Amino acid sequence: LAKTTQPISMDSYEGQEVNITCSHNNIATNDYITWYQQFPSQGPRFIIQGYKTKVTNEVASLFIPADRKSSTLSLPRVSLSDTAVYYCLVGGSARQLTFGSGTQLTVLP
Amino acid sequence: DTAVSQTPKYLVTQMGNDKSIKCEQNLGHDTMYWYKQDSKKFLKIMFSYNNKELIINETVPNRFSPKSPDKAHLNLHINSLELGDSAVYFCASSPPQGLLGEKLFFGSGTQLSVL
Repeated sequence: LAKTTQPISMDSYEGQEVNITCSHNNIATNDYITWYQQFPSQGPRFIIQGYKTKVTNEVASLFIPADRKSSTLSLPRVSLSDTAVYYCLVGGSARQLTFGSGTQLTVLP
Repeated sequence: DTAVSQTPKYLVTQMGNDKSIKCEQNLGHDTMYWYKQDSKKFLKIMFSYNNKELIINETVPNRFSPKSPDKAHLNLHINSLELGDSAVYFCASSPPQGLLGEKLFFGSGTQLSVL
């Protein structure tokens, strides 16, 4: 299983861009990179998924370098409501999708 | 409309009791899961069913027994509850993987407290 490492916590201010980096040195060729967001007392919510280069949707961007050993979730202009735990997952099937402890993002006013 | 719903939201019970958690999804997905989230926020897969058939069983004690009456429902029954079973249990579902990696849709969780 590809293990992931991400910061335990990050603080930011409203309106700033936040980048959360995840390391996954032993990612396999057929593994995808997926990010989820979890608010207190709720289940994780899918944010974005990618395989290589850059993926962008209405919520975030995902940057994946050519070696795919890391990935960066970019949240543009965060607001207080973006305060949550963000999980980076690597794998090709649910059996491999073990969530780590995630990154607690706190957005300050 | 809630896509993945699980009941109850909170469950407080004594050691040794038997309890069930119910899950239903209205997304038309074939695959459903049970995850356990511990106090350190690690979320680990327990079971997965595809169209009512068990496809993943991740070394979970046999006190835990999932049951899928149809592909829209996956219930979790726990016998002889232990203190260590206290956690948040999440139900999830996913569409066919297709060309992309798996995308999970989670319920809001059931906080189980065993006293």
